[in-house]
Amino acid sequence: QVQLVESGGDVVQPGRSLRLSCAASGFSFRTYGMHWVRQAPGKGLEWVSFIWYDGIHKYYADSVKGRFTISRDNSKNTLYLQMSSLRAEDTAVYYCVGDPPSSGYAFDIWGQGTMVTVSS
Amino acid sequence: QSVLTQPPSASGTPGQRVTISCSGSSSNIGSITVNWYQHLPGTAPKLLIYGDNQRPSGVPDRFSGSKSGTSASLAISGLQSEDEADYYCAAWDASLNGVVFGGGTKLTVL
Repeated sequence: QVQLVESGGDVVQPGRSLRLSCAASGFSFRTYGMHWVRQAPGKGLEWVSFIWYDGIHKYYADSVKGRFTISRDNSKNTLYLQMSSLRAEDTAVYYCVGDPPSSGYAFDIWGQGTMVTVSS
Repeated sequence: QSVLTQPPSASGTPGQRVTISCSGSSSNIGSITVNWYQHLPGTAPKLLIYGDNQRPSGVPDRFSGSKSGTSASLAISGLQSEDEADYYCAAWDASLNGVVFGGGTKLTVL
C-alpha cells in the first residue's frame, strides 16, 4: 500500500526549532523527488521545499530559505524537514509529497499532514 | 498574492459544465506542464490532472485539462455534488526555481 506518514508536528514558541519526519512505504522512495507543501489555516496550498531523488539538489520557497532544511535518508525511506527560527506565519498543516520520475512535478502521493503551530 | 491566478470561487448546478482558469507567465505555465489538484476539507489533496491534460487512473473522464500559452483550464462536466471542493493549479517556475500554486478555487455545487 502506497503511503506517506508524517510525524513531528507540535506547538512551539516563536524562534524555536522543530523537525518533521515522513516515512514512505509501498513505492520506490529512492527514485522519487520529494517535497513539503503546507497549508496555513484558511489559506491555500504553498510549496515549501523540494529534494532530488538522490538528495543532491535542494530547493526552497523564499519564505523559508535560510531557516528550513530538507533532507532524506533513502536507506530508511524517510524524508525530513528541519525548521528553525520558527515564526507565527509558519503555522500550517505540513504535507509530505511524492513526485515520480519525469512527471513534470505532478504530486501523485500525499501524506495525511502534520500540524505545526507556532505560538507563545 | 499567488504567482498563478485563479478565480476564488466557481459554482454550478448538478449536470452542468464548469471551467476553472489558471493564469501564469512564460516562466511557469508558458514553459512547463500544468497539474491540477482537488482538495476536500480534512483530507489530503489529490492529483486530478497532470501534464496539462492527462488523467491519473481512477479519475473520471468528466475532468479534463487544457492549456494555451500562459493560461490553463480545468473543466468539469456532468457536475456532481461530490465535486464540491477546492481546486488548485500548479507548475514549476523556472525563475523562482520552485513549484508555484494558484490561490485555489472553491467550487460550490448548488
